[in-house]
Amino acid sequence: GAVVSQHPSWVICKSGTSVKIECRSLDFQATTMFWYRQFPKQSLMLMATSNEGSKATYEQGVEKDKFLINHASLTLSTLTVTSAHPEDSSFYICSARDRSGGGGYEQFFGPGTRLTVL
Amino acid sequence: AQSVTQLDSQVPVFEEAPVELRCNYSSSVSVYLFWYVQYPNQGLQLLLKYLSGSTLVKGINGFEAEFNKSQTSFHLRKPSVHISDTAEYFCAVSDIWNDKVIFGPGTSLSVIP
Repeated sequence: GAVVSQHPSWVICKSGTSVKIECRSLDFQATTMFWYRQFPKQSLMLMATSNEGSKATYEQGVEKDKFLINHASLTLSTLTVTSAHPEDSSFYICSARDRSGGGGYEQFFGPGTRLTVL
Repeated sequence: AQSVTQLDSQVPVFEEAPVELRCNYSSSVSVYLFWYVQYPNQGLQLLLKYLSGSTLVKGINGFEAEFNKSQTSFHLRKPSVHISDTAEYFCAVSDIWNDKVIFGPGTSLSVIP
């Protein structure tokens, strides 16, 4: 099946710094990607929909100035956590759907990035 | 808007026993339904999906699920569990008109030797 990668897999940063997480579709083109965050022992919460060549669509309650999303190409979306604070520590997961016909409407998920803000 | 309910937050079961993880959804439009498994500190793996057609869907690792439109349910079953099935299981729904996937709160399956 289609593969989605994330980089880095984990990151530790100081409070107040910014962190960029990359999400790549390795063998298919994704006009739309999704960003989720997951707190320990909890479900995935959709943060935003990333659209290639246009602005991201954020879910209610998600600060767009805090979580900057850029979908620069058909295979790459980035999430930047600006001025990170300890409460931003979480597991961030991206996903994409392969619309080439072989994906079968399945969302393919990246392996996740664990962010720890000290 | 869609929503997903997983009534059981934790399910302990003995090895080789059968298990059912319950999932109910609400939606005003037709949906696609999914079950995902997440092992500790890992991403999600698709177990199975319902798009259309037969209401009984078979997935990987011996899991199956049945779509019941009248009860708006999509329960996951396995006739005999293994220790390796210990993980978090998420039911998810997507309406057929957009790509958003909404997840349920998850069920933690613990297989007891």
